[in-house]
Amino acid sequence: AQRVTQPEKLLSVFKGAPVELKCNYSYSGSPELFWYVQYSRQRLQLLLRHISRESIKGFTADLNKGETSFHLKKPFAQEEDSAMYYCALSGSGSARQLTFGSGTQLTVLP
Amino acid sequence: NAGVTQTPKFRVLKTGQSMTLLCAQDMNHEYMYWYRQDPGMGLRLIHYSVGEGTTAKGEVPDGYNVSRLKKQNFLLGLESAAPSQTSVYFCASSPTGTGSYEQYFGPGTRLTVT
Repeated sequence: AQRVTQPEKLLSVFKGAPVELKCNYSYSGSPELFWYVQYSRQRLQLLLRHISRESIKGFTADLNKGETSFHLKKPFAQEEDSAMYYCALSGSGSARQLTFGSGTQLTVLP
Repeated sequence: NAGVTQTPKFRVLKTGQSMTLLCAQDMNHEYMYWYRQDPGMGLRLIHYSVGEGTTAKGEVPDGYNVSRLKKQNFLLGLESAAPSQTSVYFCASSPTGTGSYEQYFGPGTRLTVT
């Protein structure tokens, strides 16, 4: 069975401070990991995927297979980063089904 | 392109009533999904489809049925609504092919069952 854990339901940081949203996963094979974001009154959208090794809106995430983690990081948070963030895993399902974590609500304070 | 659209946006049902949620996508995607979003639980997969005429159960399928008669549409039905089905429902679609796993989401349907 595959599982995604986001230990923080709520996270608040001040503008300009570093932010890290934690994500741990459980999966026996080689997973594909994603971060999705939902801004207020907007639909869920892909932020980044580990396979691309990209930086989007200043966010990065590194897959650590030893620690089974995929933490999302940004060195200097901005107020517009306030949103709900979901970590998701795609395993061996034929339709690339996603297993989501419970989400972390990030608030960046002025 | 409208992307993924959902109808209706809001609905209030009484226990025992039935309804159908419609999802439509104009991106010619093969894969489509229905999720429910509940506070503290993230999104959970209800049913999914890998192509026209095919459907499969996800993590929480009980109390729901689906149909994919046309490639662009994926319908989610509640035959006898229960208060436990109060939730926000999201539809998503995804293309086939290698290297592209992104799912594209609709705006959601907020359903309340009293």
